[in-house]
Parts: sequence; C-alpha cells; structure tokens
Amino acid sequence: KAGVTQTPRYLIKTRGQQVTLSCSPISGHRSVSWYQQTPGQGLQFLFEYFSETQRNKGNFPGRFSGRQFSNSRSEMNVSTLELGDSALYLCASRKTEPYNSPLHFGNGTRLTVT
Amino acid sequence: AQSVTQLGSHVSVSEGALVLLRCNYSSSVPPYLFWYVQYPNQGLQLLLKYTSAATLVKGINGFEAEFKKSETSFHLTKPSAHMSDAAEYFCAVTISTGTASKLTFGTGTRLQVTL
Repeated sequence: KAGVTQTPRYLIKTRGQQVTLSCSPISGHRSVSWYQQTPGQGLQFLFEYFSETQRNKGNFPGRFSGRQFSNSRSEMNVSTLELGDSALYLCASRKTEPYNSPLHFGNGTRLTVT
Repeated sequence: AQSVTQLGSHVSVSEGALVLLRCNYSSSVPPYLFWYVQYPNQGLQLLLKYTSAATLVKGINGFEAEFKKSETSFHLTKPSAHMSDAAEYFCAVTISTGTASKLTFGTGTRLQVTL
C-alpha cells in the first residue's frame, strides 16, 4: 500500500511569492492534516481536512490556507511568503474509524524562502 | 490544554545498551499518547500509540512504552540499542476523538548510538 505522497520534495521561493504544496493520502484515508516543522518552533499543527471541509485549525495567520478535493487529496497554500515560513511541511492522513487511528506522515516538502 | 515535555534533547547510548527516552504529559482528561521517530530527510513514522486499552504498549523495532497515570509519564524504552535506532524521537498527545488529528508534539529527543 502506498504511503502519504507529498510533492514537491524541495521548493525555493522568494519573499512575497506564494506557494502551493500537494499531498496524496493513503488510499482509504479521508482525513488529511498539515504540520509545519522548524528548528525553533518544532512541530506545529496547521489544519485538518475531512470530507472537503476544514475540521480543525492551528494558530497560524490567514496567509496559510488549504483545501481538500473529493478524492481526499489536499493542497496547502501560503501567500505572501516570509523568511520565517522556511520549514519542512508535513502532510499526514488517517482513517476516521476507529476513532483513535493514528496519523501517517509523508516525507514532507522542504520550503526555503529567500 | 494538553502538552508533553520530553526531558533531554540529546541522549547518547552505546550499542546494546538500554534506551530510555522520557516523556511527561499534561492533560485534564484521559489522553491519547504517541511516539514517532524521524530519520534524516524523512517524515514521521509511528512507533507506538496508547489509547487506554493497555498501559504497556509494544511498538515496532523492539520499542515499548508504559503509560503511568500516577506519574503522568509515557517513557519509551528499548532493551538493546542498535545503530539503526539513531534518529529523532517525538512524543505527542491529543485528547479527544474530535481532535484526533491535532497532535501536540514534544520538542524531540535526538538519540545517538555509539559503538
């Protein structure tokens, strides 16, 4: 069974630009979450999508947004990039039943903002 | 709000020695607890999870963790370290089914295994 797939693996952007990251969940997983990982702040929850609806949201500015498609694939977008947005962005998927199913993570997209 | 504290940002053990990585949690309701491992340039891999079924949880690669409510701890152990165990380990907590995807992670412990 294929794992969570994130594209691209690496991305370099300049300040002020916008970026879109893509995530394909494990087949049958309908919940997709996004996390940001930085050396200073560690792993922080961005948002979760289920059935094309945002279900939970972390404490990030509105420049960070996401969406989910009917096939459960998800994208996240960051607009007006800042240097501090440089991070590893991790996507994770999970089954919604049983309720305590764990998250399965992809290998991430490393975003560098110059 | 729930939180986890990982004591020791770096732990070094000899190959064959006991591995003990510490995690203490704070939660006003029964928590769900997880340990994840991250190898360089990779995402997080689930090692094991506690979801109230049993206090001693066995995971992959010979790791296990024991949930101790009285100590609010969920320490990760492995009897004999292997060179391939060198990685960063994260403890994580969530508190309800409605937020099962919203994990709060600890700051991580980097495990070094020496010959």
